[in-house]
Amino acid sequence: DQQVKQNSPSLSVQEGRISILNCDYTNSMFDYFLWYKKYPAEGPTFLISISSIKDKNEDGRFTVFLNKSAKHLSLHIVPSQPGDSAVYFCAASGRTNAGKSTFGDGTTLTVKP
Amino acid sequence: GAGVSQSPSNKVTEKGKDVELRCDPISGHTALYWYRQSLGQGLEFLIYFQGNSAPDKSGLPSDRFSAERTGGSVSTLTIQRTQQEDSAVYLCASSSGWGEEKLFFGSGTQLSVL
Repeated sequence: DQQVKQNSPSLSVQEGRISILNCDYTNSMFDYFLWYKKYPAEGPTFLISISSIKDKNEDGRFTVFLNKSAKHLSLHIVPSQPGDSAVYFCAASGRTNAGKSTFGDGTTLTVKP
Repeated sequence: GAGVSQSPSNKVTEKGKDVELRCDPISGHTALYWYRQSLGQGLEFLIYFQGNSAPDKSGLPSDRFSAERTGGSVSTLTIQRTQQEDSAVYLCASSSGWGEEKLFFGSGTQLSVL
């Protein structure tokens, strides 16, 4: 049973528009959520995170929203740039297993110039 | 070092052979993790180390997989009698300590078992 799901394998947006990547989770014990970005032939790099005590966290062009009742989070990128084209992984962890994050399968974002 | 270093970057082996994958974490990071990513899949947790001990080996897929860490630094993941289903990218990550959720990943080892 997959505890973290990214239902959209791919997303394509025009440069300058908003990219919205979605993630759903099933384990109510998760209380920390992270987004990682991965370019080909490189390891994932941390992008942004959010604790369950918050519903929004913003860092420049990147904002993560958390809806605990729906067990849903989303990553917004505004404005999208061609350099944002990558695979984005959603990850979740709980206080009892911090660092042992559970990852989704990833969403491939393509930003077209 | 400046980042997490993994070697080799690519490894092609024959079914039934043993392989060793190496990870050199960020200096000073006490926690070290091994994940693997099969084609089109997410990252699958394998094992984690705090210092030289491995409190959580729950993700190791079979007893053919083992890992060790010496001196609180370099870690080696060993796969014995490799099978074709072992083909994947093996990723190592480190963090400043248990409880620190943000992981720093290496570039991975692409393992291909023929």
